[in-house]
Amino acid sequence: GAGVSQSPSNKVTEKGKDVELRCDPISGHTALYWYRQRLGQGLEFLIYFQGNSAPDKSGLPSDRFSAERTGESVSTLTIQRTQQEDSAVYLCASSSRRTGGMNEQYFGPGTRLTVT
Amino acid sequence: AQSVTQLDSQVPVFEEAPVELRCNYSSSVSVYLFWYVQYPNQGLQLLLKYLSGSTLVESINGFEAEFNKSQTSFHLRKPSVHISDTAEYFCAVTSVGGGKLIFGQGTELSVKP
Repeated sequence: GAGVSQSPSNKVTEKGKDVELRCDPISGHTALYWYRQRLGQGLEFLIYFQGNSAPDKSGLPSDRFSAERTGESVSTLTIQRTQQEDSAVYLCASSSRRTGGMNEQYFGPGTRLTVT
Repeated sequence: AQSVTQLDSQVPVFEEAPVELRCNYSSSVSVYLFWYVQYPNQGLQLLLKYLSGSTLVESINGFEAEFNKSQTSFHLRKPSVHISDTAEYFCAVTSVGGGKLIFGQGTELSVKP
């Protein structure tokens, strides 16, 4: 079946503008995650949605970052008043918790955000 | 809190040589462990995982990793590498029943002819 998809694949924006990044998880996956990968660094956890539970927002770096998810479908990550340090690849992943809590996450191709 | 340390940022190696990519983790609870691979210009893919049972896990392309609880390590090994193994490798941990993955900084494996 289809994997995790993300759009846009690339986004160039001016400092101070708002951006929205979209993630379509694998159908039926109840959990959805956002990560950030800055150049030359590992992945940083941002936020995690699991079903109807309150999201784990512990990784969001500032209040300029927010994310929403409608049910078990699409998620949008919004960055307000972008700064140059927000430049990174933003990765989305989804997983199914119906297989004994294996937590195997499937990653999308990412959105490369460049703030000029 | 959990953390992952990949001890080598870059590992250059010649084709057909053995390789070991080191990963150590820290956690106060039981964990699942993963190795992900990111080939040039491609997305992140799961290479192998340890959930429970046998401490030695294998991938379909000849990599293996061994979970060592006493040393809190999950090193990745391959007895003979190919040019096509050139990629960035990430070790990751999550708590059993938890959600988010905690990643190491990555190890860039460069296989030379």
